[in-house]
Amino acid sequence: AQSVTQLDSHVSVSEGTPVLLRCNYSSSYSPSLFWYVQHPNKGLQLLLKYTSAATLVKGINGFEAEFKKSETSFHLTKPSAHMSDAAEYFCVVKTNAGKSTFGDGTTLTVKP
Amino acid sequence: GAGVSQSPSNKVTEKGKDVELRCDPISGHTALYWYRQSLGQGLEFLIYFQGNSAPDKSGLPSDRFSAERTGGSVSTLTIQRTQQEDSAVYLCASSLEGMVDTQYFGPGTRLTVL
Repeated sequence: AQSVTQLDSHVSVSEGTPVLLRCNYSSSYSPSLFWYVQHPNKGLQLLLKYTSAATLVKGINGFEAEFKKSETSFHLTKPSAHMSDAAEYFCVVKTNAGKSTFGDGTTLTVKP
Repeated sequence: GAGVSQSPSNKVTEKGKDVELRCDPISGHTALYWYRQSLGQGLEFLIYFQGNSAPDKSGLPSDRFSAERTGGSVSTLTIQRTQQEDSAVYLCASSLEGMVDTQYFGPGTRLTVL
């Protein structure tokens, strides 16, 4: 069995300040982990993925995530938020059975 | 290049009617996934195809839901005797085979059951 918990349903930051979106997972197998972003009225877009190579993963638009096996976490960070980062973010765990489990999503609001 | 396409983009139907949703994956992608995104909720996995077979149907909510894939390409998701709780955005994604492959999502079909 696998599950994903996004610890915050809403996160609000000011433009130019750091972003932290938290994700914890559980999986019986070594998982692959992904972060996707969904802007209003747009499709899902991959931000980054972890596939058992480097534990610190760099993605698009300045986002990073660090895989911490001991904490079963895969938190998403960005040093400086931009207004265009306002969107909904999904953490995803996927096993070799092919099934993907999505978290409930975190809505990021960026204030000017 | 062409991405994942879905049709129709919007569908409004009456309770009790059957609907068919179509997904055209990216050419060459052997894996295809269906998800449902309900208002205020996250993405719910429905079914996964590898080629034409579905190793994991565990997410289908009831026997009113079925899906098939032919020729390792196009997939249809059929909902029989629709209910109001079926109203959601149905998303399709495809990927190259393998667990680490990125899923590319289509724009979704917004289903409204009146």
